[in-house]
Amino acid sequence: AQSVTQPDIHITVSEGASLELRCNYSYGATPYLFWYVQSPGQGLQLLLKYFSGDTLVQGIKGFEAEFKRSQSSFNLRKPSVHWSDAAEYFCAVVPSGGYQKVTFGTGTKLQVIP
Amino acid sequence: DVKVTQSSRYLVKRTGEKVFLECVQDMDHENMFWYRQDPGLGLRLIYFSYDVKMKEKGDIPEGYSVSREKKERFSLILESASTNQTSMYLCASMVPGGGEKLFFGSGTQLSVL
Repeated sequence: AQSVTQPDIHITVSEGASLELRCNYSYGATPYLFWYVQSPGQGLQLLLKYFSGDTLVQGIKGFEAEFKRSQSSFNLRKPSVHWSDAAEYFCAVVPSGGYQKVTFGTGTKLQVIP
Repeated sequence: DVKVTQSSRYLVKRTGEKVFLECVQDMDHENMFWYRQDPGLGLRLIYFSYDVKMKEKGDIPEGYSVSREKKERFSLILESASTNQTSMYLCASMVPGGGEKLFFGSGTQLSVL
């Protein structure tokens, strides 16, 4: 069955430290891949997306993600976390071709400590 | 600017009531979606629609139905509300081939008592 997994429910990092949030997918072919962020009390905002081409994609707010086909992963990274990055992060996938059914992972809640 | 509007921000209903959640988008998007968001479970797809009068079941359609009579409006219907349907409901729209970016409404927090 097709699925997207975010293995970390909750992550705590110190401000200024680096961050990596994990996302794995299970699809027959490489899907389109996305990361969304939801700040407390806010709606979901698109951080970045991968369709094809360069496997390292840059997004807003200093985030980047790397697509690794061999590992079926699309991990989100940031070199230096700011307190305002505290939020919940969702990985999402869309099958390439066919209906554009968008499936989300269960989310990773990021806490940033001073 | 892009806009997806959900008719209610908060809604309180009683068990057994029929509940309508309305969503309107002003972007002429073909695809529309209904998700529910629960702590620890992320966003789960209930139904989506890729055209007027066309619908597809998502991952958790049981207890829900949808209606899409006009392109801009996508309604979620709880035929007989139950307490386990207490949740945050999010509507979204997307234009295929437009970067597959979802535009979300602000959500409806539904409480079923």
